[in-house]
Amino acid sequence: DAKTTQPNSMESNEEEPVHLPCNHSTISGTDYIHWYRQLPSQGPEYVIHGLTSNVNNRMASLAIAEDRKSSTLILHRATLRDAAVYYCILREYSGGGADGLTFGKGTHLIIQP
Amino acid sequence: SQTIHQWPATLVQPVGSPLSLECTVEGTSNPNLYWYRQAAGRGLQLLFYSVGIGQISSEVPQNLSASRPQDRQFILSSKKLLLSDSGFYLCAWSVPGQIVYEQYFGPGTRLTVT
Repeated sequence: DAKTTQPNSMESNEEEPVHLPCNHSTISGTDYIHWYRQLPSQGPEYVIHGLTSNVNNRMASLAIAEDRKSSTLILHRATLRDAAVYYCILREYSGGGADGLTFGKGTHLIIQP
Repeated sequence: SQTIHQWPATLVQPVGSPLSLECTVEGTSNPNLYWYRQAAGRGLQLLFYSVGIGQISSEVPQNLSASRPQDRQFILSSKKLLLSDSGFYLCAWSVPGQIVYEQYFGPGTRLTVT
């Protein structure tokens, strides 16, 4: 799997937007970009994914650079419940998606009230 | 709707004792199933995955084994625990054949080996 690089930690204020960056300069043309987050003492939860175009869902937005070598997860209005470790993961579609995910260290997002 | 259960939630076991962690999924058929471990201060590590009953793939050689006796049941076992087996164990499932790696994780079991 292609490698991703994320900042170890970021801090933001409640009710402000948060932009979480991810660098993936060795991404291949068939790698999908996935974001997961892990709240304290819980299992990870899926946030969003994308291939080439920007994506929006109820949780967040994903902005993908035109050359696909970087992406940004955007939380439009952070709440205290968004404090978590955010993981950026690349995976190539393998015709079944059966094998698991490789989680790096992610970005620890701290939200200040 | 789909639900994933894991038990127990916490476990303290002495070194050399056996281990059995159970995971069950409700509301779906023939899911892909996974066991991950998160050691203290480290990232999640995939241990095993299964695409069907009796079909287990191991990602990391270790002191653990996995079994899938029923379609929606996944068991993680050890005959003799080591101190290094301590960690947060997570079971997950996914829908077979989907393009994106959307996995759904259970609440986890926190294992302390003493």
